[in-house]
Amino acid sequence: AQKVTQAQTEISVVEKEDVTLDCVYETRDTTYYLFWYKQPPSGELVFLIRRNSFDEQNEISGRYSWNFQKSTSSFNFTITASQVVDSAVYFCALSEARNRDDKIIFGKGTRLHILP
Amino acid sequence: DTGVSQNPRHKITKRGQNVTFRCDPISEHNRLYWYRQTLGQGPEFLTYFQNEAQLEKSRLLSDRFSAERPKGSFSTLEIQRTEQGDSAMYLCASSLSTSRFGEFFGPGTRLTVL
Repeated sequence: AQKVTQAQTEISVVEKEDVTLDCVYETRDTTYYLFWYKQPPSGELVFLIRRNSFDEQNEISGRYSWNFQKSTSSFNFTITASQVVDSAVYFCALSEARNRDDKIIFGKGTRLHILP
Repeated sequence: DTGVSQNPRHKITKRGQNVTFRCDPISEHNRLYWYRQTLGQGPEFLTYFQNEAQLEKSRLLSDRFSAERPKGSFSTLEIQRTEQGDSAMYLCASSLSTSRFGEFFGPGTRLTVL
């Protein structure tokens, strides 16, 4: 069965600190996709990244970086030099390629508070 | 605005009433999804269309729920005889099956059933 676990329900850090959001996933498929979405207070889900299971290279985009480790089934997300605007709920998610529909299974999210 | 749009953004209704939500996907996207998000949870898949064909429905989608995408463009989600447990954010997403960028979500319709 496919499952995404975000063990951190809520995190608070002071602005400019680095913060890592953890994500652990379960799947029996060998081909799958992992995602991170941001949901600010306005409610809209904002796509951040999609990574396929064959690409274990870490990715950096500005202050955001992602660490994908198949050996531990983890896809962690780090924000460097956090800013107040980063405050949001962040969702890690999984989609199995064998499902033709590409439906996404979401974790329960981590609420991130960046304190000024 | 070329993103996914949803109407209405908010809906308050009394238990037992029927409600209908509309989703307009990104124009060239052939796939359209409906998700439901309750407070403190991640979105949960409800149903999915490829063009006008509804290809999968979650067990969360009881027989009071029906979704259509008649011309393969916009979609509607109707809930009949609403119950308080239907109160949630209903999210629509669209994607292009050949794209690596996954699904793009609309702003959602927040339903409150009194």
